[in-house]
Amino acid sequence: NAGVTQTPKFQVLKTGQSMTLQCAQDMNHNSMYWYRQDPGMGLRLIYYSASEGTTDKGEVPNGYNVSRLNKREFSLRLESAAPSQTSVYFCASSYSGPSSYEQYFGPGTRLTVT
Amino acid sequence: GESVGLHLPTLSVQEGDNSIINCAYSNSASDYFIWYKQESGKGPQFIIDIRSNMDKRQGQRVTVLLNKTVKHLSLQIAATQPGDSAVYFCAGGGADGLTFGKGTHLIIQP
Repeated sequence: NAGVTQTPKFQVLKTGQSMTLQCAQDMNHNSMYWYRQDPGMGLRLIYYSASEGTTDKGEVPNGYNVSRLNKREFSLRLESAAPSQTSVYFCASSYSGPSSYEQYFGPGTRLTVT
Repeated sequence: GESVGLHLPTLSVQEGDNSIINCAYSNSASDYFIWYKQESGKGPQFIIDIRSNMDKRQGQRVTVLLNKTVKHLSLQIAATQPGDSAVYFCAGGGADGLTFGKGTHLIIQP
């Protein structure tokens, strides 16, 4: 049982490049989330998926897109990376909807945009 | 919307002492609150949660207290150990999901 896994662990992009962050969970959770974490700030929700086939915007969705590929996988795409998107990105999952507690987090992806 | 924040960015305690990390929130509609621990280079890890209809909950070496009157919660860690060194986040939960505070860095002095 690996929990929540994320790839890649580190990534450096140039401004304007695109990339997709991958996330998978093996806990049979319905809900999945993408957060970003910046120095001196807490985690901020980018997008979430309450169930397979649905996605909703969080607090900071601009510049990102998501895909809930199936129950296990939830990807985050940056179409045209900007330096302001330099951050650590965390994927999380939980049993039910966004009001559920105990979200389980992956190890994070450290992204630098130059 | 919800605003959750912590009183201090850094807390330094002696090994073996008890640690108390505080958190204030603004949204009375939160259904629950959670404390997470984040070690360097890792994702947040669930420690303990408390429902809004409770005022105290205990776990293994940890206790969370909720004071709804002043919109304050705290995390108490008994007999602090070197492995407790981390950043601790409180998060408030409601219909829109979890809102995280900025974190308190707990430093353990030998």
